[in-house]
Amino acid sequence: GQNIDQPTEMTATEGAIVQINCTYQTSGFNGLFWYQQHAGEAPTFLSYNVLDGLEEKGRFSSFLSRSKGYSYLLLKELQMKDSASYLCAVLDSNYQLIWGAGTKLIIKP
Amino acid sequence: ETGVTQTPRHLVMGMTNKKSLKCEQHLGHNAMYWYKQSAKKPLELMFVYSLEERVENNIVPSRFSPECPNSSHLFLHLHTLQPEDSALYLCASSEKGTGEPGELFFGEGSRLTVL
Repeated sequence: GQNIDQPTEMTATEGAIVQINCTYQTSGFNGLFWYQQHAGEAPTFLSYNVLDGLEEKGRFSSFLSRSKGYSYLLLKELQMKDSASYLCAVLDSNYQLIWGAGTKLIIKP
Repeated sequence: ETGVTQTPRHLVMGMTNKKSLKCEQHLGHNAMYWYKQSAKKPLELMFVYSLEERVENNIVPSRFSPECPNSSHLFLHLHTLQPEDSALYLCASSEKGTGEPGELFFGEGSRLTVL
């Protein structure tokens, strides 16, 4: 079967750095997405990786290793507004999105 | 208005009621989706419409009935629901090409409670 694993919850301190991991086992791979979802709000697109390596976008970076079936989302200089759930999703060989259950990130002052 | 809007934001219904969820997208996209989001579970794709035709119908109980009258509007008709159907129902749209679905734009969801 297809599976996406990410931690259920993480806690970090304002101003620090946090890394949210995502491992996947899917039938084929056509890219990996990260979405951010604040409580009671719509998920919003953060990043898309299809090639190995690190993609940086401001305070957020996303890394992909296809050989290891692994990605992480790196958040730097954490702010209270970064408290949210972070959803990892993989596009399989049929271009179907397989979703993880999301990681709830709690930022403490 | 911009983006994807969903109404109502909150809905409480009994198991014998009939109600509908509405979604409207103002992005000019050609594909629309219904997802179910339950606490601590992955998003579950329910229905996909591309160019107003249903192209995917995952194993969803018949008590959920989608309708896509045009490329900007999507409905989810609900009848004789069960308490386990209580969840957040998210609508999304994208520009679907021949391959990848592209970035999804989500609405804020309709929080459904079935008593």
